Amino acid sequence: DAEITQSPRHKITETGRQVTLACHQTWNHNNMFWYRQDLGHGLRLIHYSYGVQDTNKGEVSDGYSVSRSNTEDLPLTLESAASSQTSVYFCASSLSGGYNEQFFGPGTRLTVL
Amino acid sequence: AQTVTQSQPEMSVQEAETVTLSCTYDTSESDYYLFWYKQPPSRQMILVIRQEAYKQQNATENRFSVNFQKAAKSFSLKISDSQLGDAAMYFCAYHINNDMRFGAGTRLTVKP
Repeated sequence: DAEITQSPRHKITETGRQVTLACHQTWNHNNMFWYRQDLGHGLRLIHYSYGVQDTNKGEVSDGYSVSRSNTEDLPLTLESAASSQTSVYFCASSLSGGYNEQFFGPGTRLTVL
Repeated sequence: AQTVTQSQPEMSVQEAETVTLSCTYDTSESDYYLFWYKQPPSRQMILVIRQEAYKQQNATENRFSVNFQKAAKSFSLKISDSQLGDAAMYFCAYHINNDMRFGAGTRLTVKP
């Protein structure tokens, strides 16, 4: 069955370290997204990609970067982790088009000490 | 800024009863898509129902239906015959011009 996976599921790091969160989907979807979920804010869009070599900034992109070298993967990098980036991170994918359902990964809980 | 507002942080319903979750949004666009997602304790986000803004007919998916009022920018979710498995966080969201925005969520409790 097609799926979307994230790794690691839990991560503890220190302020200033570089961190990369992995996202892998086997749906063959063109669209991929990264969100963060914080209490009281719902989900907020960090970056998104509509295909290989395409990346775009979302609502809260400062301090994050992504790259899309193939259809299946969209890794999220925190260049220099900050305590404000402690959150639960969700990756999602969908077919092209705004109406299509986004399929979400299980989430990664990141703690920055 | 475009926003999605869910004014009910928590709601409670008796099993087999009906409950309505509220959602309002703010946009100057005319073409967009609206969604309700459910997040149970497992944390997995699941699509409940969706609506295209240009369609006047309200979407329905089994026990779930929406009341879409475009002029009022309102998109409420009605859950009929509530079941224990409906207990979850519910998020309203829209997709407008490559921007996906979610509300802060409503926690629904179902009492047996």
